[in-house]
Amino acid sequence: KQEVTQIPAALSVPEGENLVLNCSFTDSAIYNLQWFRQDPGKGLTSLLLIQSSQREQTSGRLNASLDKSSGRSTLYIAASQPGDSATYLCAVNGQAGTALIFGKGTTLSVSS
Amino acid sequence: KAGVTQTPRYLIKTRGQQVTLSCSPISGHRSVSWYQQTPGQGLQFLFEYFSETQRNKGNFPGRFSGRQFSNSRSEMNVSTLELGDSALYLCASSLESGGGTDTQYFGPGTRLTVL
Repeated sequence: KQEVTQIPAALSVPEGENLVLNCSFTDSAIYNLQWFRQDPGKGLTSLLLIQSSQREQTSGRLNASLDKSSGRSTLYIAASQPGDSATYLCAVNGQAGTALIFGKGTTLSVSS
Repeated sequence: KAGVTQTPRYLIKTRGQQVTLSCSPISGHRSVSWYQQTPGQGLQFLFEYFSETQRNKGNFPGRFSGRQFSNSRSEMNVSTLELGDSALYLCASSLESGGGTDTQYFGPGTRLTVL
């Protein structure tokens, strides 16, 4: 059974710092991995989608990497800003179906 | 292009009642998935509909059901509500599949409170 873990559960950094969020999954047989952002009480915003054949994806200050063999993904945020404060969720889409399996998320707080 | 819309945004019900939630996907998207989010369990997959057919189902009791209409709009129904059904219910749409190579786009959710 696929399980997704995100460490740390919470992170506080000063503005301008570069940071890395971690995601690990137990079954390497995945179609893709997706990173989302969720603001309090809101829905999810898709940030990056990495196909199983890809190693990384970039969008602006965000860079996500995928290492299927080790069951790991990282989300790198450069030059963090207070507006980046949110919960970041990692989700994998497995071979068995189309359901996304989510981690519990990392809550990021960026102080000015 | 309009995003995924969900109605109502907030709902308060009492135990034993039933509730219907609605989701309108992004125009042109044919797949709609439903998720339940609670503080304890996080986000859990309920089911996915594609072309009016349930294509995948999560591990939830039969009280949770859904359907999809020919215009891809979807409804989710929960019967005999329990306190533990209090959650944020999120709907996601994608172009063709519920996952695979397609990005899923989420709506703002419906906050259900069961008293």
